[in-house]
Amino acid sequence: RKEVEQDPGPFNVPEGATVAFNCTYSNSASQSFFWYRQDCRKEPKLLMSVYSSGNEDGRFTAQLNRASQYISLLIRDSKLSDSATYLCVVKGGGSYIPTFGRGTSLIVHP
Amino acid sequence: NAGVTQTPKFQVLKTGQSMTLQCAQDMNHNSMYWYRQDPGMGLRLIYYSASEGTTDKGEVPNGYNVSRLNKREFSLRLESAAPSQTSVYFCAIAGGHSYEQYFGPGTRLTVT
Repeated sequence: RKEVEQDPGPFNVPEGATVAFNCTYSNSASQSFFWYRQDCRKEPKLLMSVYSSGNEDGRFTAQLNRASQYISLLIRDSKLSDSATYLCVVKGGGSYIPTFGRGTSLIVHP
Repeated sequence: NAGVTQTPKFQVLKTGQSMTLQCAQDMNHNSMYWYRQDPGMGLRLIYYSASEGTTDKGEVPNGYNVSRLNKREFSLRLESAAPSQTSVYFCAIAGGHSYEQYFGPGTRLTVT
């Protein structure tokens, strides 16, 4: 089983739609969780950290479910500019090395 | 405040040539990393430096060497480039409470 698993997609949605991605992780000792966004041929950029109680940043909501070992990202009112690959990242406490999922591709069309 | 800078942005090498990729940060973070990203493979860690004065191998270190020159700078050297090293190379830094990573813009390397 891969340490961090994501559905590669692509998720093809119209503008204005709500879309959700899940990511599962295998290490129950994981302590830190993040979502990154990567545009084609660009570097990954931190979208948001994921906190135990869940957190929201504008149209983006992240949730953590420790019992089932998954994190989720919800995007409301999708924009064309949201088209990108979304990377799930998990890190154990005391570890310097995060584990990246391979990403979920999102395509938002007019 | 540039964050993380990488040079060069693009490079073409012939098999057997050597080169050094440079990474510098102005965020005063302790840890620095080198990744490569190939189509369909995701990010793979080559080497990392948890703090100034230390370096450790990652998932795919063969064919590479690194130097943590000081707290700001972390270089990646290819001693004898091979076509299999054609890739996009990203430098990243991490620090602070959550230890989230910040990436440089990448170096696109082609080895012919």
